[in-house]
Order: sequence, then C-alpha cells, then structure tokens
Amino acid sequence: QVQLVQSGSELKKPGASVKVSCKASGYTFNVYSINWVRQAPGQGLEWIGYINPNTGNPTYAQGFTGRFVFSLDSSVTTIYLQISSLEAEDTAVYYCARDRHTIAFDYWGQGTLLTVSS
Amino acid sequence: QSVLTQPPSVSAAPGQKVTISCSGSNSNIGNNYVSWYQQLPGTAPKLLIHENTKRPSGIPDRISGSKSGTSATLGITGLQTGDEADYYCGAWDTSLSAGVFGTGTRVTVL
Repeated sequence: QVQLVQSGSELKKPGASVKVSCKASGYTFNVYSINWVRQAPGQGLEWIGYINPNTGNPTYAQGFTGRFVFSLDSSVTTIYLQISSLEAEDTAVYYCARDRHTIAFDYWGQGTLLTVSS
Repeated sequence: QSVLTQPPSVSAAPGQKVTISCSGSNSNIGNNYVSWYQQLPGTAPKLLIHENTKRPSGIPDRISGSKSGTSATLGITGLQTGDEADYYCGAWDTSLSAGVFGTGTRVTVL
C-alpha cells in the first residue's frame, strides 16, 4: 500500500536549520510529484511547492524561495524539505503529499510538527 | 493568504445536506481542476474529490463535487457526526504558477 512516512517533531531555535524527510513506499517513486504543504497552528493549508522525482527539479511558491529547499534521494525513495534561518513564523505542521493530478493529493504523510522558539 | 474563498462554517442536522462553496477566478478554478479535502482534528487532510467531480476509491457517493465558471461546490448528503471536520478546496493557479487552497470551512453537525 502507498505510504508516506515523515520524520518526527522538531524543536529548533530561531536562526537554526531543519531537514524534514518523507519516505515514500508502495508505488513507483518517479511517477508522481511530491508536494509540501504547511499548516500553522489553527490556520489553513498553505502550498509550499513540489519536486519532480524524475528530474529532481523543484518548484516553489512565492514566499518560499531561498530558505526552503527540496531534495530527494531516489535510492531510498525519500524526499527532503530543508528550511534554513528559521523564524518563529515557520512554526507549523509540514506535510508531504503525493500529487495524482495537479493539486489532487491522494496520499499524505502524517505531518511533522516544527516548533521554532528560543 | 488564500486566493480561494470559502464560508468559515456551515452546519446542519444529522441526515441533512450541506454544501460548501469555493470561489476563485479564471486563473485558478475557471481554467483548472478543483480538488476537495477533509481534515479531521489532528490528522492529515484526505482527498474527497479530484478533477472537479471525481471521487477516489473508498469515498461514498453521498460526497459530490461540481464546478461552474469560477466557483466550485462540495456537497455532503446524509450528514453524519463523523463528517464534522474542516474542508478545503484546492486548485492550480496559472497566474501564480502555484497551488492554492481555500480558506477552509468548518462543518458542524447539530
């Protein structure tokens, strides 16, 4: 069965970096893009961007360029989200999600809670 | 900030029907597919509708989606207590070259 399993919760100080992983299994890895979505406490869903597993080419939403970087390791079918220069406003749950057809996310990771606090 | 607008909340009694609207523009809903998601408290969103009207395997037919112009609608009939959740629409925005979500709607079963 298709699964996306994310790494565990993180507590970081402002200015630090974090790398969240999303391990994909149960399907052909290079067929579907993986998207990242974040949800701040008590807020709605916000699209961060996606990575093409075939080419490794990332696409970022406005406001997520520079500090947010997607990468992948096809050998272990894992996608990564790295965020640098963390700010308190980055506190959120971060989800990875498989896209079956243009923002139709049929499988989601369980979410990774990132807390940025001094 | 969301570019797709949804009502903050809707409610109905068990067994009744609710509809949730999602209003956008020609750059998103008007020319791209719409998806709908259900998010139960403390869990990841779940895909209910894709390509405007299609239900993934396992989603009951009391869940429906429609689209007209720059607006989309999610319908839930035979409302159950288990339907209490937040619901989001989503679409690609061609002008932004980005995915966009709606503001979210809380469904309450009275």
